[in-house]
Amino acid sequence: KQEVTQIPAALSVPEGENLVLNCSFTDSAIYNLQWFRQDPGKGLTSLLLIQSSQREQTSGRLNASLDKSSGRSTLYIAASQPGDSATYLCAVPVAAGNKLTFGGGTRVLVKP
Amino acid sequence: GAVVSQHPSWVICKSGTSVKIECRSLDFQATTMFWYRQFPKQSLMLMATSNEGSKATYEQGVEKDKFLINHASLTLSTLTVTSAHPEDSSFYICSPLRASDTDTQYFGPGTRLTVL
Repeated sequence: KQEVTQIPAALSVPEGENLVLNCSFTDSAIYNLQWFRQDPGKGLTSLLLIQSSQREQTSGRLNASLDKSSGRSTLYIAASQPGDSATYLCAVPVAAGNKLTFGGGTRVLVKP
Repeated sequence: GAVVSQHPSWVICKSGTSVKIECRSLDFQATTMFWYRQFPKQSLMLMATSNEGSKATYEQGVEKDKFLINHASLTLSTLTVTSAHPEDSSFYICSPLRASDTDTQYFGPGTRLTVL
């Protein structure tokens, strides 16, 4: 059974600092890995999707890496802003279109 | 991006009543629908998977007679929480799977259910 873990559970940084969020999974047979953002009381916003054949994916200040063999992904957010404050979730499906297994999330607070 | 709506966005009800939550994929067809719930300060947990026109498949520990799922069309799925109790208070999120793009998963904005 796939298990996804995110460390740390919470993170507080001053504005401008880079953020590093970690995600680990127990079964390396993943199809892809997604990072989501969730604001309090809201649904999920997809940030990045990394295919299993890729090692990283970038979008603006966001960069996500994937190391399938070691079961890890890292989300980097450069030059953090207060608007980046949210919970970040990683999730993996077993196959295309399959159900997602989510990590517990990392709650980020960027202080002005 | 694909547009997914959920209605209502929040609902408060008395214990023992039933609540229906609708999920619509507004600009694409979804042959598969996932329903998740999220308890406060916890992550999303899959409740059930439904395919259009078929019975839903429920995850272990989720009562199929309590959480009724109907996926009668390719753009609409409903989740009915029957005889709701305070422990059913949660955030319910649907995730329709776009048939033409099964790599990407889309999510509804969620429904906050509070049972008094």
